Amino acid sequence: QKEVEQNSGPLSVPEGAIASLNCTYSDRGSQSFFWYRQYSGKSPELIMFIYSNGDKEDGRFTAQLNKASQYVSLLIRDSQPSDSATYLCAGGGGNKLTFGTGTQLKVEL
Amino acid sequence: GAVVSQHPSRVICKSGTSVKIECRSLDFQATTMFWYRQFPKQSLMLMATSNEGSKATYEQGVEKDKFLINHASLTLSTLTVTSAHPEDSSFYICSAHPGVGIFGPGTRLTVL
Repeated sequence: QKEVEQNSGPLSVPEGAIASLNCTYSDRGSQSFFWYRQYSGKSPELIMFIYSNGDKEDGRFTAQLNKASQYVSLLIRDSQPSDSATYLCAGGGGNKLTFGTGTQLKVEL
Repeated sequence: GAVVSQHPSRVICKSGTSVKIECRSLDFQATTMFWYRQFPKQSLMLMATSNEGSKATYEQGVEKDKFLINHASLTLSTLTVTSAHPEDSSFYICSAHPGVGIFGPGTRLTVL
């Protein structure tokens, strides 16, 4: 069974710090990986995706992919209270995505 | 950017009734749409893949006769929960291709 695993958290970081969110996957056939942010009671919103080994940066967010280790991470720099949410990692090939259970992030003042 | 809408955003119904949820791609054509369900504090689970003009593909364990999917046009897919029961209460979310990462705002279904 294809799995995407995340630590449920909560992960607490102080405002202004770097938050590091991690994800592992079991399906070596997965080609693309996505990070979503989901606020309570809301639909997930796409933060960024990555499909090549290495880092991809977009503003305060950096996604990292290591296919050999089957590991994906998301770094959030200068964390803000508004970043407090559940972060979902998803992987897949073609159109279908498999989601992790999400990591709850709390950014404290 | 690509926008996906859903209607209704929230519905409360009695057990045994049927509920229809619409998913629309507003500024692009979606040959494929995906229907997910999310229970509290759990992740999204793919229920089915909806293809325009053909039958939907259901994931293992999802009853196709209970969750009817129709994708009659390139901008609209509907999910009908037939004879809904309290255990069907959940957050239903659609996603449209080519925006694999683009989700609708979701529909909160509560069955009394």
